[in-house]
Amino acid sequence: SQKIEQNSEALNIQEGKTATLTCNYTNYSPAYLQWYRQDPGRGPVFLLLIRENEKEKRKERLKVTFDTTLKQSLFHITASQPADSATYLCALDGGSGGYQKVTFGTGTKLQVIP
Amino acid sequence: GAGVSQTPSNKVTEKGKYVELRCDPISGHTALYWYRQSLGQGPEFLIYFQGTGAADDSGLPNDRFFAVRPEGSVSTLKIQRTERGDSAVYLCASRESPLATDTQYFGPGTRLTVL
Repeated sequence: SQKIEQNSEALNIQEGKTATLTCNYTNYSPAYLQWYRQDPGRGPVFLLLIRENEKEKRKERLKVTFDTTLKQSLFHITASQPADSATYLCALDGGSGGYQKVTFGTGTKLQVIP
Repeated sequence: GAGVSQTPSNKVTEKGKYVELRCDPISGHTALYWYRQSLGQGPEFLIYFQGTGAADDSGLPNDRFFAVRPEGSVSTLKIQRTERGDSAVYLCASRESPLATDTQYFGPGTRLTVL
């Protein structure tokens, strides 16, 4: 069955450092991979989308890589700030045209320490 | 409205009761999704609407769960004979179209507690 794995343990890093979060998947061939941010008591907020034929995508301090051979995506936040503390979810999207079903990972909680 | 809204924000009910959860998507968004999120887990897909029709209800756990979207905008998730295991946050999301490149916007969720 399809499985999406993210670090279940929280990630603590010092302010100003680069945070790297991992998303691994099995039994899936997604056309798109998305990253979301979720704060306590709120719904997820979309951050970035990367296509299967893209190796890397950047948006401000965020960078996402997508390796379809390794079946892995890495999500980087450079120059991290305490305001970046949240849970980050990766999500896979079938992308076969028309209807898209999105499958989420369990999320990784990031804590940026001042 | 500015975003996806969900009501109520919290719902406490007793085992065996019936509940309805409401979702108001962003105006003009044709695609609407319901998810369920348990503590420490990611959102779990329940059902997807394209317009008024349920295009995929494969995530509904059993026949106690049902959802409607009669006019292609507001949607209601209905749970009959609630069980303690139904306790979770129920999230609604909408998209302008079903395309993966269209952003999925989530509401704040309804926290359901079944006593």
